[in-house]
Amino acid sequence: EADIYQTPRYLVIGTGKKITLECSQTMGHDKMYWYQQDPGMELHLIHYSYGVNSTEKGDLSSESTVSRIRTEHFPLTLESARPSHTSQYLCASSDFSSNQPQHFGDGTRLSIL
Amino acid sequence: EDQVTQSPEALRLQEGESSSLNCSYTVSGLRGLFWYRQDPGKGPEFLFTLYSAGEEKEKERLKATLTKKESFLHITAPKPEDSATYLCAVQLYNFDNAGNNRKLIWGLGTSLAVNP
Repeated sequence: EADIYQTPRYLVIGTGKKITLECSQTMGHDKMYWYQQDPGMELHLIHYSYGVNSTEKGDLSSESTVSRIRTEHFPLTLESARPSHTSQYLCASSDFSSNQPQHFGDGTRLSIL
Repeated sequence: EDQVTQSPEALRLQEGESSSLNCSYTVSGLRGLFWYRQDPGKGPEFLFTLYSAGEEKEKERLKATLTKKESFLHITAPKPEDSATYLCAVQLYNFDNAGNNRKLIWGLGTSLAVNP
């Protein structure tokens, strides 16, 4: 059973606010990922990390930023939220071996008013 | 262009009525194929990984198979608790400059509803 946790589960907030979505895993995985998922659409990778102090942008352009200071923690930050940022954000992690499956948290549903 | 297509988009079954979901892919090089289940308001839950044509994996009422062009997720005698969206993702042989492989291509999923 995967142990990856995201907080908050739901967030409704006004435009212009700074937001940090938290993601933590207890499996000791080196790789971590952030995805966006909108209804009827496939998962889009927005950020990934292969270890501490390693972060890369994914396939989908995003105004968010990430950091990886500790192996178990991979927070995502929006400096100034806009309605276009409304989406479901999913965090995942996987073992270092390149073809291991990703394990997901339950996501944060973000609504920007 | 690398692509993953799942069909049907939606499927409604009666309890006990077996069926199959399809994931077809056209990619430059398959490293692995993953099946996930996603319940409403939750993240995807890993089910199976398949690596080579002819491989099969089973878990309870689910059985996944792989050919060179597609994968099937067979559901035998489904129950209402099997209702969910089933996602397929393909990992390519695609390495970045650091030698890391991150490329997953996701399908849109099949929404399965099993009526009691």
